[in-house]
Amino acid sequence: DAKTTQPTSMDCAEGRAANLPCNHSTISGNEYVYWYRQIHSQGPQYIIHGLKNNETNEMASLIITEDRKSSTLILPHATLRDTAVYYCIAEGNQGGKLIFGQGTELSVKP
Amino acid sequence: EPEVTQTPSHQVTQMGQEVILRCVPISNHLYFYWYRQILGQKVEFLVSFYNNEISEKSEIFDDQFSVERPDGSNFTLKIRSTKLEDSAMYFCASRPGRMNTEAFFGQGTRLTVV
Repeated sequence: DAKTTQPTSMDCAEGRAANLPCNHSTISGNEYVYWYRQIHSQGPQYIIHGLKNNETNEMASLIITEDRKSSTLILPHATLRDTAVYYCIAEGNQGGKLIFGQGTELSVKP
Repeated sequence: EPEVTQTPSHQVTQMGQEVILRCVPISNHLYFYWYRQILGQKVEFLVSFYNNEISEKSEIFDDQFSVERPDGSNFTLKIRSTKLEDSAMYFCASRPGRMNTEAFFGQGTRLTVV
């Protein structure tokens, strides 16, 4: 699985869009990009995933660059409840396991 | 919404004792996983399970660990002789397919070894 690089921490004002970047420059053609988040010590929560097209669901949007070497998770209107650690994971053909890095600690402030 | 359930939420055990952590994955899912998270550290993969056998395991998953799906609904993680360093949150996850599918995680079992 490709290695991903994320900033350690970010702040965002409540009500504004939170844009969380992720670099995955060694990603291969069949590796999906997944985003999960973990609030306190709860179980990781799925947010969104994609291969090469941009994706949107009720939680977020995922923008993947054309060369697939980086992506951005967008929370369009961040709330205090979005304060969490956000993980970007590149999943390859390895039995479906997800390898978590250190993630980005997002703090949404009033 | 379907969910993965784990029991107990918190388990305290004495060093050297055996513990069994229990998980009920989502019913139509085929792939099952255990992860652990030591306090303040990242989530670590332990083992994946498919078609009633282990499909992959990490270096952490040594001979003291075992997994079982005894009855088609439960998925258990057994730690035979617990050590202090086994204290962690243990998360179970399941997904319907191997790739391009969402993995659902349980809320975890906090294991404290004293």
